[in-house]
Amino acid sequence: SQQGEEDPQALSIQEGENATMNCSYKTSINNLQWYRQNSGRGLVHLILIRSNEREKHSGRLRVTLDTSKKSSSLLITASRAADTASYFCATDENSNYQLIWGAGTKLIIKP
Amino acid sequence: DAGITQSPRYKITETGRQVTLMCHQTWSHSYMFWYRQDLGHGLRLIYYSAAADITDKGEVPDGYVVSRSKTENFPLTLESATRSQTSVYFCASRPTGGLVSPLHFGNGTRLTVT
Repeated sequence: SQQGEEDPQALSIQEGENATMNCSYKTSINNLQWYRQNSGRGLVHLILIRSNEREKHSGRLRVTLDTSKKSSSLLITASRAADTASYFCATDENSNYQLIWGAGTKLIIKP
Repeated sequence: DAGITQSPRYKITETGRQVTLMCHQTWSHSYMFWYRQDLGHGLRLIYYSAAADITDKGEVPDGYVVSRSKTENFPLTLESATRSQTSVYFCASRPTGGLVSPLHFGNGTRLTVT
């Protein structure tokens, strides 16, 4: 069963603008992760945020988590062409072995 | 630093044939996973393995078989391929059982069943 759901499904912005993607989930979690997938490649881990954290930064990435709304957002600031990719959130759904994945947001950065 | 390697990258096979997808990792990670990725479904777990000779079913295991005789290898076999198994298959690994450890993915195998 899919828990994480990303929104929007697709996003097209100009280079230099900020991109925001959202992820919602249904049950309680211990942590939430964001991954990036470039076309034709495997997924790459970007950042993990635990359920007791509200915000986390990594370079141009900012992730927030609102457990009361069961949602997370990924903000990419000052976007670059190289940020063109699909972005996925994944949660643990209180499982000790399995991540539950959303369908992803496809981000296109226009030069 | 090869990391995690999948082969072949592309495979076309006919309905009813057996096909094996290979996965090899150089990190000695304990956990390995097989996912399939289909449009609109995100990633779905097929099988996973906690260590050599320990495997277990994921969300969509029907029609697939796995083995793990060595820590570094985790092949996925489709015993009798069906068109519904046309997909992109990803192998992944992580060092521990804890879900705070990030997954490391291979570049995938695109399988087409005709």
